[in-house]
Amino acid sequence: AQTVTQSQPEMSVQEAETVTLSCTYDTSENNYYLFWYKQPPSRQMILVIRQEAYKQQNATENRFSVNFQKAAKSFSLKISDSQLGDTAMYFCAFMTFTGNQFYFGTGTSLTVIP
Amino acid sequence: DSGVTQTPKHLITATGQRVTLRCSPRSGDLSVYWYQQSLDQGLQFLIQYYNGEERAKGNILERFSAQQFPDLHSELNLSSLELGDSALYFCASSELGEGSLDEQYFGPGTRLTVT
Repeated sequence: AQTVTQSQPEMSVQEAETVTLSCTYDTSENNYYLFWYKQPPSRQMILVIRQEAYKQQNATENRFSVNFQKAAKSFSLKISDSQLGDTAMYFCAFMTFTGNQFYFGTGTSLTVIP
Repeated sequence: DSGVTQTPKHLITATGQRVTLRCSPRSGDLSVYWYQQSLDQGLQFLIQYYNGEERAKGNILERFSAQQFPDLHSELNLSSLELGDSALYFCASSELGEGSLDEQYFGPGTRLTVT
């Protein structure tokens, strides 16, 4: 069975600074997909970034980037130039290659301090 | 606005009762997913439908069932409700849902409170 672990329940960062959220996962599969979702106070789930496990290059979306370490089964999210609107719960998620199973971590609550 | 709609927004009911949650996917999306988010928890995947057929099952209780209709909207039925079923229930849709990097678009959720 797959598991996703986010070991940081809460984090804070000063506005304009950089913060890294950790995520580790456990799987015996070789191909899969990884995602980071953001859930602001509105409770809407918003996709932040995604990564295919067979791609070595780390995904980047504007201020958001990941550090994907396949051998270590680690998928951390780096937020650069943090903004107040980045305050939210962040969930790491894993999807099997066949797309038939989805697993979310328990989330990291990020607060951006003005 | 993701284009996924869920009704009702809030639902309060008593233990032992049965409720139905409704989800309309984005136009053109064939796949619908249901998730449960208990208080301060991550999302638990419940079930996925693709073009009317059940595609995948997660941690869905036997008291829960779902279906996807020909017009692609989906309903999640929760019966014999217990206090522990109180949660936010999300529906998401995607175009394919066949194991691609296909983005899931989430609805606003239905807040279920069982008293």
